[in-house]
Amino acid sequence: GAVVSQHPSRVICKSGTSVKIECRSLDFQATTMFWYRQFPKKSLMLMATSNEGSKATYEQGVEKDKFLINHASLTLSTLTVTSAHPEDSSFYICSAEAGLGTDTQYFGPGTRLTVL
Amino acid sequence: EDKVVQSPLSLVVHEGDTVTLNCSYEVTNFRSLLWYKQEKKAPTFLFMLTSSGIEKKSGRLSSILDKKELSSILNITATQTGDSAIYLCAVEALNSGYALNFGKGTSLLVTP
Repeated sequence: GAVVSQHPSRVICKSGTSVKIECRSLDFQATTMFWYRQFPKKSLMLMATSNEGSKATYEQGVEKDKFLINHASLTLSTLTVTSAHPEDSSFYICSAEAGLGTDTQYFGPGTRLTVL
Repeated sequence: EDKVVQSPLSLVVHEGDTVTLNCSYEVTNFRSLLWYKQEKKAPTFLFMLTSSGIEKKSGRLSSILDKKELSSILNITATQTGDSAIYLCAVEALNSGYALNFGKGTSLLVTP
């Protein structure tokens, strides 16, 4: 139980294009989803927190117009990297929290974005 | 299907106790195993293990990988209340692409 999927697992795009990454909770409803970026030394940086039906809360230093987050349903959140540049190349991971009084997050397998 | 299993799911200990957290994995094309500590929202990176039998240490925390047994342990000695957190194990695999498979975590509570 508590499976989170991400799609695609890997994407290569040209500079200037936009890329959408999906995060789905497959067998539970996620009241809150989180988007992270993994840096080369393996640290995870929280980018934003999204609650279903409301605007995402972005961490300091994360451009909300560049990283558009939509949490349209209790099982789906999307991250769109707009006008991608090579420095946006990274590993993006989402996690989902079921709520119900627990803080447990279930992580997706990540999406590798390479911007040429 | 790649799998990462952590045990126990949760643990309550007294300050000063030593704890051992377990992580076992079944992944193809293993690359490395990572440990994270999650207190609030963003997990904090603790260790990355790639070679079997080599202990990594940071203060009271240490970790070791056993590639033969497909497992790793995270030890915390002389626990403190500040060690209370969820400890996550994640395994990097390189299949058709790069993937990071997380376990469900071990919730540790250290009581005074």
